[in-house]
Amino acid sequence: QKEVEQNSGPLSVPEGAIASLNCTYSDRGSQSFFWYRQYSGKSPELIMSIYSNGDKEDGRFTAQLNKASQYVSLLIRDSQPSDSATYLCAGFTSGTYKYIFGTGTRLKVLA
Amino acid sequence: SAVISQKPSRDICQRGTSLTIQCQVDSQVTMMFWYRQQPGQSLTLIATANQGSEATYESGFVIDKFPISRPNLTFSTLTVSNMSPEDSSIYLCSVEIAGNPSTDTQYFGPGTRLTVL
Repeated sequence: QKEVEQNSGPLSVPEGAIASLNCTYSDRGSQSFFWYRQYSGKSPELIMSIYSNGDKEDGRFTAQLNKASQYVSLLIRDSQPSDSATYLCAGFTSGTYKYIFGTGTRLKVLA
Repeated sequence: SAVISQKPSRDICQRGTSLTIQCQVDSQVTMMFWYRQQPGQSLTLIATANQGSEATYESGFVIDKFPISRPNLTFSTLTVSNMSPEDSSIYLCSVEIAGNPSTDTQYFGPGTRLTVL
């Protein structure tokens, strides 16, 4: 069973700090990775996608991918209370044409 | 990205009845997916719906219980048949949008919150 694993949290950080969310995956065939934010009672909203090793930055968000270690992370700089949500990591494998989602990490940004 | 709508947004149904959920997207897409998300849980893929072919169901999900239609490139329906309280969940449709030049990406509709009494 191919898996994407995340710490369920909650991860609590003070306002203005950097929040670091981590994800590991078991399928070496996974090619693309995604971070979604999901507020309570809402559907997942795409934040970042990444498919090359290294860092990808978009505003306050940086996604990092290390395919050798099978590790994906999301950094949120200058965290705001509005960033408090569950963050879902997903990997995509073209061979099976499946997106596999982790169970999500709940982030709490404390004002 | 894409604008995706789902109807109904929520419903309360009686045991043994069926509910059809509609998913409409504002552009033509090849791949559409149906997920279920139970309270506090992550997403579970029910099936992949390609236009012009039978839906592909994941392990644990069968066509008799969750029939899917995909009549064109902008629309799909998921029916939850002969419902029981265990079917109470949020049902989400999603579409895959081709990336240009970045990777293809999946976007979600707002979801349908189903409660079965």
